[in-house]
Amino acid sequence: AQSVTQLGSHVSVSEGALVLLRCNYSSSVPPYLFWYVQYPNQGLQLLLKYTSAATLVKGINGFEAEFKKSETSFHLTKPSAHMSDAAEYFCAVKMGRGADGLTFGKGTHLIIQP
Amino acid sequence: SAVISQKPSRDICQRGTSLTIQCQVDSQVTMMFWYRQQPGQSLTLIATANQGSEATYESGFVIDKFPISRPNLTFSTLTVSNMSPEDSSIYLCSVEGWGGSTYNEQFFGPGTRLTVL
Repeated sequence: AQSVTQLGSHVSVSEGALVLLRCNYSSSVPPYLFWYVQYPNQGLQLLLKYTSAATLVKGINGFEAEFKKSETSFHLTKPSAHMSDAAEYFCAVKMGRGADGLTFGKGTHLIIQP
Repeated sequence: SAVISQKPSRDICQRGTSLTIQCQVDSQVTMMFWYRQQPGQSLTLIATANQGSEATYESGFVIDKFPISRPNLTFSTLTVSNMSPEDSSIYLCSVEGWGGSTYNEQFFGPGTRLTVL
């Protein structure tokens, strides 16, 4: 079975500060990992994905994430927060290629302070 | 990415009734999935909609409650049957394996916001 843990249901940072959203996973096989963002009253948008290529993955809107197998982590970062980054962020895992859906973490609500 | 539409976008229904949600994709896709997002919660996979065969349901979800159809490679429906207030959620379809995209990249529809009174 696979699972995802997102530490911190709410994270608050100042505009211009570093954003760090934490995600740890468990999987019995090498996983595929994803970060999605959900803006208020909107659908999910894929930010970035790890699929066993480079461990440092760059996504849209200046976000990036690093896959660390030894720590079973896939934390999301952005060097400088912008007000428009305020949203709900979901980490998700999929066990390899195949007809599997995604297992999502509980989500982290990112708050940007002016 | 694939363009995914869902109908209806929202609905308010009475207890005991059923609602069918449609998911339409603008290109043929291999995999289609249905998820539920309860108020203030994360997403939970309901089932995988298989073209030409019965859907594969996750633990806690059954066909009698959530019948699914997938008549072709661009369309699927999810029915929420005999609804109760606990079924109030956002229901989302997602797709994987379309056109020129890589596998293991799921795109989501805008969701259907269901309120059951």
